[in-house]
Amino acid sequence: ETGVTQTPRHLVMGMTNKKSLKCEQHLGHNAMYWYKQSAKKPLELMFVYSLEERVENNSVPSRFSPECPNSSHLFLHLHTLQPEDSALYLCASSRVQGPQQPQHFGDGTRLSIL
Amino acid sequence: ILNVEQSPQSLHVQEGDSTNFTCSFPSSNFYALHWYRWETAKSPEALFVMTLNGDEKKKGRISATLNTKEGYSYLYIKGSQPEDSATYLCALSGSARQLTFGSGTQLTVLP
Repeated sequence: ETGVTQTPRHLVMGMTNKKSLKCEQHLGHNAMYWYKQSAKKPLELMFVYSLEERVENNSVPSRFSPECPNSSHLFLHLHTLQPEDSALYLCASSRVQGPQQPQHFGDGTRLSIL
Repeated sequence: ILNVEQSPQSLHVQEGDSTNFTCSFPSSNFYALHWYRWETAKSPEALFVMTLNGDEKKKGRISATLNTKEGYSYLYIKGSQPEDSATYLCALSGSARQLTFGSGTQLTVLP
């Protein structure tokens, strides 16, 4: 039981497609995160939202566009992606944003760009 | 940019053996250290959050220690079981308040 649900679990798309990844948390948390894990690399933070406002954007290309309509939902909109964007995308949440807050992760979306 | 190093990269042990692995980080700019356990096809699960030098935390057969002055943390597993097989991730939270992850230690416990 994760409390953080990501859909879809797998996604294959062409470079010209537009798709969205969805994350939903039922933990009453106020901070949500998108991470990327490429093959043989550590988890990399992409975006942080706290109380529905974006607070961190780690130099992520504009072809990735996050959206946080409320504290329970987080989206990652994808358009004109590149083959190097193939990776596992993980969503996480925490009670608040802070260095001592453990993060609760979803199972991830495995994205493949053709 | 924080540099979080984990060693070894992978480890095979026999069921019943105790084991430990290391997370190293720059000792300055430290706010908290996190350990996560990530089983294949599942989501990473928080094990410990540690903040004080000399901290020691325990959860069942798993424990962790922290030395912020010299910049390392050890994770210990006592009497390893096959269900302990997973990747163990260390993550550092610095002044930017975001987590920087290491590459993980992949543990395989052989029956």
